[in-house]
Amino acid sequence: GAGVSQSPSNKVTEKGKDVELRCDPISGHTALYWYRQSLGQGLEFLIYFQGNSAPDKSGLPSDRFSAERTGGSVSTLTIQRTQQEDSAVYLCASSLTGTGSGYEQYFGPGTRLTVT
Amino acid sequence: GENVEQHPSTLSVQEGDSAVIKCTYSDSASNYFPWYKQELGKRPQLIIDIRSNVGEKKDQRIAVTLNKTAKHFSLHITETQPEDSAVYFCAAMSSNDYKLSFGAGTTVTVRA
Repeated sequence: GAGVSQSPSNKVTEKGKDVELRCDPISGHTALYWYRQSLGQGLEFLIYFQGNSAPDKSGLPSDRFSAERTGGSVSTLTIQRTQQEDSAVYLCASSLTGTGSGYEQYFGPGTRLTVT
Repeated sequence: GENVEQHPSTLSVQEGDSAVIKCTYSDSASNYFPWYKQELGKRPQLIIDIRSNVGEKKDQRIAVTLNKTAKHFSLHITETQPEDSAVYFCAAMSSNDYKLSFGAGTTVTVRA
């Protein structure tokens, strides 16, 4: 079946502009995660959605970052007033469930964001 | 929160030799430990995982060991091949918050 998809694959924006990144998880997966990966670095947790529960936003680096998940499926990560340090690859992952003893997270291809 | 440390940051091995990557974690409530492989420009992909109720798991040339007392786990790749060259990430998930905390990654280069 279809895997996790993300759009756009690449986004170049000017400093100060807002951007929206989209994630389509695998159908039926109740857990959805956003991560940020800077060049040559590891994966930094941003936010986690589990079913209809309130999202865990503890990883969002500033109030310029927000995310929503509509209908328990598609998610949008919004970065307002982008800064150059926001340049990174933003990865989305989904899993069948986020609770219990842990389930495999399937990653999307990522969106490469460049802020000029 | 969970803190995962990974060593070494880079590893170069001769084709056919073994590669070992080690990770430590801080949260005793962590009970799920996956390993991801990320090739250049590609998405991370799960290669093996282990849950806290076992001490070792093997899948062909890849094995993972877990020592819950010492809070460390390791990835072992035997008979390395050039296609094993990639960045490998360890991770730990705590039963307190169900978030994966990743190590900083190990760049593995297999020399032909």
